[in-house]
Amino acid sequence: DAMVIQNPRYQVTQFGKPVTLSCSQTLNHNVMYWYQQKSSQAPKLLFHYYDKDFNNEADTPDNFQSRRPNTSFCFLDIRSPGLGDAAMYLCATSSPGRETDTQYFGPGTRLTVL
Amino acid sequence: TQLLEQSPQFLSIQEGENLTVYCNSSSVFSSLQWYRQEPGEGPVLLVTVVTGGEVKKLKRLTFQFGDARKDSSLHITAAQPGDTGLYLCAGERTGTYKYIFGTGTRLKVLA
Repeated sequence: DAMVIQNPRYQVTQFGKPVTLSCSQTLNHNVMYWYQQKSSQAPKLLFHYYDKDFNNEADTPDNFQSRRPNTSFCFLDIRSPGLGDAAMYLCATSSPGRETDTQYFGPGTRLTVL
Repeated sequence: TQLLEQSPQFLSIQEGENLTVYCNSSSVFSSLQWYRQEPGEGPVLLVTVVTGGEVKKLKRLTFQFGDARKDSSLHITAAQPGDTGLYLCAGERTGTYKYIFGTGTRLKVLA
């Protein structure tokens, strides 16, 4: 089945140690998103790519970066994780114009910062 | 800033009861999605509504998009413990490919 895949599902890192989360999709969607979700809260958009065009949210800290080397893959880099960055990180995709505009989410990566 | 307010925030009901969750905004959305999310998992899409006044049914779930495309509701008939989870609405900001999430409704259905 076509889907959005996130690896790893659980990631533990140390305070200040860079970490990379990955997302891949088999939907061939143009847009890929990264969200941060803290306990029982709504997902918060960090940034998104429309094809190769990167769109950062104004309140996303510089500590968070992203790369999209091709249509299928997108990475979230946290350069110096702090304790406050512990959260669930969600990747999503959409394809504006091709179908009813809808986001499809991956299962998420839960990040723990020690 | 576009906001989507969901109500209620928390709901605990007995199996077999009916419930309605509301998602309201002062802004117009080009589409609106409802998701259910279980602990430790990503949101799972339940439905997308696009047309003002649209009603969609998914087994015991009924979704309605307001005529002005500013609000939506989710009605669950005869709730079951398997319906337990966090329900999220998300509206697409017209022409931006970005989605505003509602504040979430945490539902617990007791057997």
